[in-house]
Amino acid sequence: EPEVTQTPSHQVTQMGQEVILRCVPISNHLYFYWYRQILGQKVEFLVSFYNNEISEKSEIFDDQFSVERPDGSNFTLKIRSTKLEDSAMYFCASRWTGDSGELFFGEGSRLTVL
Amino acid sequence: AQKVTQAQTEISVVEKEDVTLDCVYETRDTTYYLFWYKQPPSGELVFLIRRNSFDEQNEISGRYSWNFQKSTSSFNFTITASQVVDSAVYFCALIPGTAGNKLTFGGGTRVLVKP
Repeated sequence: EPEVTQTPSHQVTQMGQEVILRCVPISNHLYFYWYRQILGQKVEFLVSFYNNEISEKSEIFDDQFSVERPDGSNFTLKIRSTKLEDSAMYFCASRWTGDSGELFFGEGSRLTVL
Repeated sequence: AQKVTQAQTEISVVEKEDVTLDCVYETRDTTYYLFWYKQPPSGELVFLIRRNSFDEQNEISGRYSWNFQKSTSSFNFTITASQVVDSAVYFCALIPGTAGNKLTFGGGTRVLVKP
């Protein structure tokens, strides 16, 4: 069964460092998403991406964040200069165009900023 | 804008008891999809069910059942005869029917099943 894969599963970084989280969406999907979950809190939308551009972003997704799909298969989330409050689980999701509605989530990348 | 409310933050039950998780949603869209996800201690999001707004039939899957009531904008989830492995955080979520829209999650309900 096709699945969304994310790497790394866990990354520890120092405050101020750049981090790239990688995702490989399901191959025929066209809509891509990043969500964030701070420990013990709800799952929050960060950004959606379609047709090689951001289609929607939340207030959380400020200038420190960027996304790209560099090679047609990977979908990356970059945090330029990490802060302590960026520590969270980051989930990638993808969706096929159509009316099924379902997002397929990866297993998440846990980011710990020290 | 969409909103999903899970009023219960934590529920504690003893094994074999039934537990019902409430979910109330708000949306202006006439077509939408409702979901339940389970998040075990390992952290991943496990898809449980999708229901579209035109299908109000209740659904049962093993020990899980869902009660969708459009009139009250609710999509409640019941675990019958709970087991320790059901201990997790459960999220209700909604997505409008238009392609590309984002999934909005409720705040989650932590279920603790004690042996």
